[in-house]
Amino acid sequence: AQRVTQPEKLLSVFKGAPVELKCNYSYSGSPELFWYVQYSRQRLQLLLRHISRESIKGFTADLNKGETSFHLKKPFAQEEDSAMYYCALLYNQGGKLIFGQGTELSVKP
Amino acid sequence: EPEVTQTPSHQVTQMGQEVILRCVPISNHLYFYWYRQILGQKVEFLVSFYNNEISEKSEIFDDQFSVERPDGSNFTLKIRSTKLEDSAMYFCASIRPEGVSYNEQFFGPGTRLTVL
Repeated sequence: AQRVTQPEKLLSVFKGAPVELKCNYSYSGSPELFWYVQYSRQRLQLLLRHISRESIKGFTADLNKGETSFHLKKPFAQEEDSAMYYCALLYNQGGKLIFGQGTELSVKP
Repeated sequence: EPEVTQTPSHQVTQMGQEVILRCVPISNHLYFYWYRQILGQKVEFLVSFYNNEISEKSEIFDDQFSVERPDGSNFTLKIRSTKLEDSAMYFCASIRPEGVSYNEQFFGPGTRLTVL
């Protein structure tokens, strides 16, 4: 069955520290993965998609098919990165997204 | 930049009452979705809608739920007889797929439904 797992509910780091938000998936086909971010009192918005292989706001994520992972990384966290981060898998039939539980990132000064 | 809008932002209702949640997707988008998030749980897919019909629905989307696009702009989710467990944040999303793969789903700000 299709599943996305984010093992950490809360990740707390100090400003300037590296960050890695973990995401593992289970999918029988060729996965298309995304990271969505939700800042306080704002809507869900796309941060990254794996097919773009881009860096947004200093964040990167690499799809590792061997480990079925799509971890989100940033070398130096900023206070404004504090938010909820959701890993999501696109289930091609119908284009629905399957979300992980979400990880709350708290960056302390 | 165009955005998906949702009204109301918060809806309080009594158990057994009907509610209609409204969404205005981005105007040139073609696919529409409803998701919900019960407090403390993950965002869950409810239903997708394309070409004026349901493309896919989840197990959650039972006979109490319905969707329609009555006027070419609004996209509504109706719950006929609300239950306590329907209390959640409901998100609308839309996309305009390009090429052979789906691109970014744009989400609305959500409607918080509280069933008393």
